[in-house]
Amino acid sequence: AQSVTQPDIHITVSEGASLELRCNYSYGATPYLFWYVQSPGQGLQLLLKYFSGDTLVQGIKGFEAEFKRSQSSFNLRKPSVHWSDAAEYFCAVEAAGNKLTFGGGTRVLVKP
Amino acid sequence: DSGVTQTPKHLITATGQRVTLRCSPRSGDLSVYWYQQSLDQGLQFLIQYYNGEERAKGNILERFSAQQFPDLHSELNLSSLELGDSALYFCASSVGLAGEETQYFGPGTRLLVL
Repeated sequence: AQSVTQPDIHITVSEGASLELRCNYSYGATPYLFWYVQSPGQGLQLLLKYFSGDTLVQGIKGFEAEFKRSQSSFNLRKPSVHWSDAAEYFCAVEAAGNKLTFGGGTRVLVKP
Repeated sequence: DSGVTQTPKHLITATGQRVTLRCSPRSGDLSVYWYQQSLDQGLQFLIQYYNGEERAKGNILERFSAQQFPDLHSELNLSSLELGDSALYFCASSVGLAGEETQYFGPGTRLLVL
């Protein structure tokens, strides 16, 4: 069965600093991978997705992610964090049948 | 705004009661998914409907049921509620069943069982 691991439960970063969130997945076939963001009291907003092709994908709000098949990873990055990026971030893999399997999430705190 | 709407936003009820959560998918989307987000279980897939038919089931309790109506809106029914059912329930929708589809999530319904 597929699974997703986000090793970091919390990350604190200073405003203007770079951010990298880790995601490792376990899935037998070619994965479809997603990053979603959940702001406090809000729903899940799609940041970016990987289906195939270029392994570096660009998303909204200045985020990008790199798919590395050899490491079973799909890490999310942002070069310069803004205070509004404080939120919880979820990595997900789509299994057969369209259902999403989510990681446990990483909560990002931004220091001024 | 994802285009997926969910009502109500908040629901407070008592143990043993039954509630119905409603979801309207994005215009043109035929697939609807329900997910539960709780502190102990995280985000879990419950069930998927496509054009009125059940397509996939996840960790959905027997006390829970869902359906998708001809106008494509969906309802999630939760009965004999327990304290542990308190959670945020999300609905998501996508165009169809093919791979390479994106699920767009609604704002969620927060259920509190007292």
